[in-house]
Amino acid sequence: AQSVTQLGSHVSVSEGALVLLRCNYSSSVPPYLFWYVQYPNQGLQLLLKYTTGATLVKGINGFEAEFKKSETSFHLTKPSAHMSDAAEYFCAVSVLNQAGTALIFGKGTTLSVSS
Amino acid sequence: DGGITQSPKYLFRKEGQNVTLSCEQNLNHDAMYWYRQDPGQGLRLIYYSQIVNDFQKGDIAEGYSVSREKKESFPLTVTSAQKNPTAFYLCASSTLPEGGYTFGSGTRLTVV
Repeated sequence: AQSVTQLGSHVSVSEGALVLLRCNYSSSVPPYLFWYVQYPNQGLQLLLKYTTGATLVKGINGFEAEFKKSETSFHLTKPSAHMSDAAEYFCAVSVLNQAGTALIFGKGTTLSVSS
Repeated sequence: DGGITQSPKYLFRKEGQNVTLSCEQNLNHDAMYWYRQDPGQGLRLIYYSQIVNDFQKGDIAEGYSVSREKKESFPLTVTSAQKNPTAFYLCASSTLPEGGYTFGSGTRLTVV
């Protein structure tokens, strides 16, 4: 069965600092991996996704993530945090060729950005 | 513009009542999903549907029911059998496995 673990339920950074949100997955077959962002009382918005090909994926708002198969990781980074990045972030996994499979989400990481 | 519409945004339920949450999409997506979100627990899958007139239980289906009579619509009923229904409910649709999800803006259900 697939699962997702997000290390750290809460991450705090200063404005301008590096953002690193950690995600590890377990999957018996090559996964598709996603990062989503959620602002209070709203739905989730797709930041980026890895399907096949290049392992470094660039997304919206300056975020990027690297798929590392050997480490079963898909960590999200941003070189310089902005106040507007404060939100909750979810990592998710889905698997190709499993009819009826839905996305499995991690428990989320809340990012706080201080000035 | 294409998207997913959830209604109502806020819903209050009395003990013992059934309530239905609406989810409509005009993205022509085949698959639709319902998730429940509680603080610190992430999103947990309630039900999902890959095609019209077919749906599967997710991890926490007890106390919930769904229907999928049209491609565009996937309503969720929270029944009186659901003992702790107060939560934020999110509907999504997709072109899985590659496309990820498009989410609605959610319905916050409170039992009073």
